[in-house]
Amino acid sequence: DGGITQSPKYLFRKEGQNVTLSCEQNLNHDAMYWYRQDPGQGLRLIYYSQIVNDFQKGDIAEGYSVSREKKESFPLTVTSAQKNPTAFYLCASSMQRGEQFFGPGTRLTVL
Amino acid sequence: AQSVSQHNHHVILSEAASLELGCNYSYGGTVNLFWYVQYPGQHLQLLLKYFSGDPLVKGIKGFEAEFIKSKFSFNLRKPSVQWSDTAEYFCAVRGSGTYKYIFGTGTRLKVLA
Repeated sequence: DGGITQSPKYLFRKEGQNVTLSCEQNLNHDAMYWYRQDPGQGLRLIYYSQIVNDFQKGDIAEGYSVSREKKESFPLTVTSAQKNPTAFYLCASSMQRGEQFFGPGTRLTVL
Repeated sequence: AQSVSQHNHHVILSEAASLELGCNYSYGGTVNLFWYVQYPGQHLQLLLKYFSGDPLVKGIKGFEAEFIKSKFSFNLRKPSVQWSDTAEYFCAVRGSGTYKYIFGTGTRLKVLA
């Protein structure tokens, strides 16, 4: 099946710890994205990558980091500098001319 | 500033009622427009999209949307909603030739059986 895989579905971490969220796609899409979804705020863009070894900050990049070493993978690290990391994180991918396809999401809870 | 505005945050309808969800955007230049739906416990999925041509686009499950360029709007419509349409709906815009999408804050629709 073609699609986007995010793991894990639920993640718990202690305050002050960095945590990395996984995102893998087998759609052969060029671009990949990370969003944060909070109630009443829609989807806010954290980072996106148009091509391997290149990425751009989105609207709320502070406290997050990413890498794009392979076309199919775009992991997101939530660092201890992120002041309010508890949220639902969505990964997506797209071709330049086309819609985005979304993964199932990871719910991160920082205790 | 580039933005997408969805005016209705929560909508409650009875089955068979007609639906219209508003979406206005602010963006300089040619745009591509999208409506996504998130059913409870499911992935975000595409309902419909507009790239060019006929401004009235039809999507899945009987949904349609009309692009009105002069009003910077892309409202979503369905003539008769069903209980299974209960979900959160998101409007999104992307500049043609770019990769960055901008989403609205979403509209939670509840359909009463």
